[in-house]
Amino acid sequence: AQSVTQLDSQVPVFEEAPVELRCNYSSSVSVYLFWYVQYPNQGLQLLLKYLSGSTLVKGINGFEAEFNKSQTSFHLRKPSVHISDTAEYFCAVSDRDNFNKFYFGSGTKLNVKP
Amino acid sequence: DAGVIQSPRHEVTEMGQEVTLRCKPISGHNSLFWYRQTMMRGLELLIYFNNNVPIDDSGMPEDRFSAKMPNASFSTLKIQPSEPRDSAVYFCASSPQPSNQPQHFGDGTRLSIL
Repeated sequence: AQSVTQLDSQVPVFEEAPVELRCNYSSSVSVYLFWYVQYPNQGLQLLLKYLSGSTLVKGINGFEAEFNKSQTSFHLRKPSVHISDTAEYFCAVSDRDNFNKFYFGSGTKLNVKP
Repeated sequence: DAGVIQSPRHEVTEMGQEVTLRCKPISGHNSLFWYRQTMMRGLELLIYFNNNVPIDDSGMPEDRFSAKMPNASFSTLKIQPSEPRDSAVYFCASSPQPSNQPQHFGDGTRLSIL
């Protein structure tokens, strides 16, 4: 089974500052990688996904993530955050050989301060 | 396009009562997932179906929980009898084949057991 580790449970940052949310997973064999965002009282929405090809993936709302196979990481970045980015962010791994089963990290709460 | 539809959005009931949560996946999606989210345990996968067949129910906490998918457009998660520790937000998600496709989440059912 896969496991996903999000090292930071909370990340406070000031508006317009850059941010990186870290994600590591247990195996680089046969996986797809995703980042989701959850706003208060809502379900999870897809931010971006890595399937293959270029290791730098761009998503919605100005976010991007870089796949690093040797470090089994998929960190999420944004060069300049906005107050509206305050939300919880989840990293997920999909096991190619296991019927779309996703393994989610524990989430990172991003708190953007004015 | 309609997304994943869950009902009810909120449910408050007394312990010992039967609770039924409902989910309508996105049309054409082959896989359906039930998750539970709490502050203490984060996002937990309870069970998932592929082509209406339960594939993995190892996340179902105990026999009080049961899930069915009688057809491709409907699923239920039932708790009988309910207990206060079942209070959580329950999410349903669906995805198409193959496994490189993201899961699409409903808005969740916020369940409170008194």
